[in-house]
Amino acid sequence: DAGITQSPRHKVTETGTPVTLRCHQTENHRYMYWYRQDPGHGLRLIHYSYGVKDTDKGEVSDGYSVSRSKTEDFLLTLESATSSQTSVYFCAIGQTRYEQYFGPGTRLTVT
Amino acid sequence: DQQVKQNSPSLSVQEGRISILNCDYTNSMFDYFLWYKKYPAEGPTFLISISSIKDKNEDGRFTVFLNKSAKHLSLHIVPSQPGDSAVYFCAASPSMDSNTGKLIFGQGTTLQVKP
Repeated sequence: DAGITQSPRHKVTETGTPVTLRCHQTENHRYMYWYRQDPGHGLRLIHYSYGVKDTDKGEVSDGYSVSRSKTEDFLLTLESATSSQTSVYFCAIGQTRYEQYFGPGTRLTVT
Repeated sequence: DQQVKQNSPSLSVQEGRISILNCDYTNSMFDYFLWYKKYPAEGPTFLISISSIKDKNEDGRFTVFLNKSAKHLSLHIVPSQPGDSAVYFCAASPSMDSNTGKLIFGQGTTLQVKP
């Protein structure tokens, strides 16, 4: 299995609070991605990174920001959490376009 | 606008029979396709892929077929086993995003293989 971890694995937070999710890899892969999984929508890309300090938006980026100051870490921040951001969040890493390796996921509940 | 669609939310088959999972896409600029498998409480794992220059790719019990004219791909699992019970996602990679590795995923199909 690819060396990829996510923290926390579960979080419950209140509407309006900031939340940061962390993705950590030990594979030295160039690309890192944040997805959210919701029923009926599959996996949707939030943000991605193609190198240190190089990030770009995905299809559902509103309300989210990211940072990548080191190859191994990719942070996803919800500046002010809303109930619509209750979801399961997956981080993925990749070295080429041909495969992505996913982390175990973070279940976030915004009350 | 859903560019990758899996129109069957669920599929149930008997152990030993063939499972066929389908996926349709609308963007003719997709040039690489992948299937992922996901068990509950785990992240998706890569299963099999196919380039748009091919129409078939086989790996053990898993075969992916690509019909470019119909913008349709399918995953065949033969024979199906109870351990194959999972959610299957198809994904497509736009040729314009080949340098980023971005993927567009379908909604997923839940496969249940009954013993």
